[in-house]
Amino acid sequence: TQLLEQSPQFLSIQEGENLTVYCNSSSVFSSLQWYRQEPGEGPVLLVTVVTGGEVKKLKRLTFQFGDARKDSSLHITAAQPGDTGLYLCAGVSNDYKLSFGAGTTVTVRA
Amino acid sequence: DSGVTQTPKHLITATGQRVTLRCSPRSGDLSVYWYQQSLDQGLQFLIQYYNGEERAKGNILERFSAQQFPDLHSELNLSSLELGDSALYFCASSPGLAGVNEQFFGPGTRLTVL
Repeated sequence: TQLLEQSPQFLSIQEGENLTVYCNSSSVFSSLQWYRQEPGEGPVLLVTVVTGGEVKKLKRLTFQFGDARKDSSLHITAAQPGDTGLYLCAGVSNDYKLSFGAGTTVTVRA
Repeated sequence: DSGVTQTPKHLITATGQRVTLRCSPRSGDLSVYWYQQSLDQGLQFLIQYYNGEERAKGNILERFSAQQFPDLHSELNLSSLELGDSALYFCASSPGLAGVNEQFFGPGTRLTVL
């Protein structure tokens, strides 16, 4: 059983379209991280959100942490083929353990 | 390149066998974490070491064990292997504790148990 539920599981869109990935939990986390993983490689950290309601922008990526620190979303504007990958959210508990969601596989078609 | 190295990259073995996976953290990082990634379970935290001592345990089986050596490299030992142990095993390192510091993941070891 995953502590963090990610949706959708798979997402395939055309280049230039927008997409949103969701990460939900019944648990409160001290912070939440988003990673992207490409085939044959380990996950790479994109962002850490710490404060409830926090919004962080990283070029075309916008990350939001829910007010109650239980959920988060990742929005990509004008997706590009280079955005293709497995997006993982990870909740950080008070004892610093990371709990990962199952991930969302994003495919951006040229 | 994250700076974390893992060997071997691929490992094929038989049920009942024992294997050792090796990880060298980024220079200066004191924490090492081990994760298992399989298709049905996703990325699961196994265990963390900080400066040579076990810091946190996750979903690690009793057949698995790990240690961190004085030079900070770490080894994950998997014994009495079963088919279900086939997975990608990742090592990650960070300067301190996760949540405070970013975790840097290695390229992983793909274990296939036949």
